[in-house]
Amino acid sequence: DAGVIQSPRHEVTEMGQEVTLRCKPISGHNSLFWYRQTMMRGLELLIYFNNNVPIDDSGMPEDRFSAKMPNASFSTLKIQPSEPRDSAVYFCASILYLGYGTVNTEAFFGQGTRLTVV
Amino acid sequence: KQEVTQIPAALSVPEGENLVLNCSFTDSAIYNLQWFRQDPGKGLTSLLLIQSSQREQTSGRLNASLDKSSGRSTLYIAASQPGDSATYLCAGFTGANSKLTFGKGITLSVRP
Repeated sequence: DAGVIQSPRHEVTEMGQEVTLRCKPISGHNSLFWYRQTMMRGLELLIYFNNNVPIDDSGMPEDRFSAKMPNASFSTLKIQPSEPRDSAVYFCASILYLGYGTVNTEAFFGQGTRLTVV
Repeated sequence: KQEVTQIPAALSVPEGENLVLNCSFTDSAIYNLQWFRQDPGKGLTSLLLIQSSQREQTSGRLNASLDKSSGRSTLYIAASQPGDSATYLCAGFTGANSKLTFGKGITLSVRP
């Protein structure tokens, strides 16, 4: 497996523009996490999905952020409109979670998307 | 709510030293704890995963331990090398809500 694949790797956009980040989890994994990383805050969990269903989006900073997982092999994180303070590295991670009692849930991360909003 | 803490935020040691990186967590109902390495500008690479039923895991010069009762995990690096310089993050997986919570990481610098 090629691992978790994120695109684009780098994105530079102007304030006010819509930005869409993409993630392809590891085949067979059923949980997907979106994180944002900054120097000040470290890794913040934005939202995560189990079996394509959003479980907890309490980390999504504002209504400008939205995430979807239309199928098991694809997820998007959208920011509309983007602002300079959204500049960060956005990571996607996937896990095989088999429900309560599962213990071997090793998480695998993509290489991240470095977003710069000017 | 699970909170994961890593102290100190940065550490500098001379090459060859054995060192311990600490990680503490508040929710003992943890399924597993995972240690990651992150190089500057890169993604996170999984180093070790310790299941809740285990006490430790080893991979090469790395050894990670887990003590659920005290809410602590440690990553032991033997005979440190300059190539070990990176940021090390720990993350706890809490199965009740299937959430992976990270500490802020420890930035390690190994001086030649």
